[in-house]
Amino acid sequence: NAGVMQNPRHLVRRRGQEARLRCSPMKGHSHVYWYRQLPEEGLKFMVYLQKENIIDESGMPKERFSAEFPKEGPSILRIQQVVRGDSAAYFCASSQDGLSNQPQHFGDGTRLSIL
Amino acid sequence: ILNVEQSPQSLHVQEGDSTNFTCSFPSSNFYALHWYRWETAKSPEALFVMTLNGDEKKKGRISATLNTKEGYSYLYIKGSQPEDSATYLCAMYSGGGADGLTFGKGTHLIIQP
Repeated sequence: NAGVMQNPRHLVRRRGQEARLRCSPMKGHSHVYWYRQLPEEGLKFMVYLQKENIIDESGMPKERFSAEFPKEGPSILRIQQVVRGDSAAYFCASSQDGLSNQPQHFGDGTRLSIL
Repeated sequence: ILNVEQSPQSLHVQEGDSTNFTCSFPSSNFYALHWYRWETAKSPEALFVMTLNGDEKKKGRISATLNTKEGYSYLYIKGSQPEDSATYLCAMYSGGGADGLTFGKGTHLIIQP
């Protein structure tokens, strides 16, 4: 499967723990986007990364959230000291060149539940 | 803050009928309008990306139009089939805004046999 791969599909954490969400983009794609879908809400942009660089993190909460896309390996969205309000579906998408006229290819998402 | 609106929120259509729904977006700083199809338990799948005013794109029985001057796009489905049941999302890419897409909440389409 050469599509966008996200893991895990489901993640359960207790309040105060850390959550790590992984995303491997489509083969040949070096641009990665993370989106969050809160219950009853639409997809909201969080962060846009290109290999080893954060290009735009304007949609990311200022505290506890971080993202990286290392030279080797998947992109990671990290949430420290999780709270109940972090429960959501987190989607990763990738595109080839990061251009506005290119479609983004989405993964199946990670459903994060905070107990 | 960009506001992308979709209507209706949900729609029940008889199999074989044609249907359409709307995406409204701010016309300033417009770069591109994306349509995605999202089936339950799957990932959003790209349908169209449109950039030019008056653009019209077609994929099988599904087509879309774009009016960037007045800020709207229509998605049309001709001869609806049960497999068309999904949520249809539109998203705007805006220059000067965030580098990601701003999504509407979607139109949830149910095709009744």
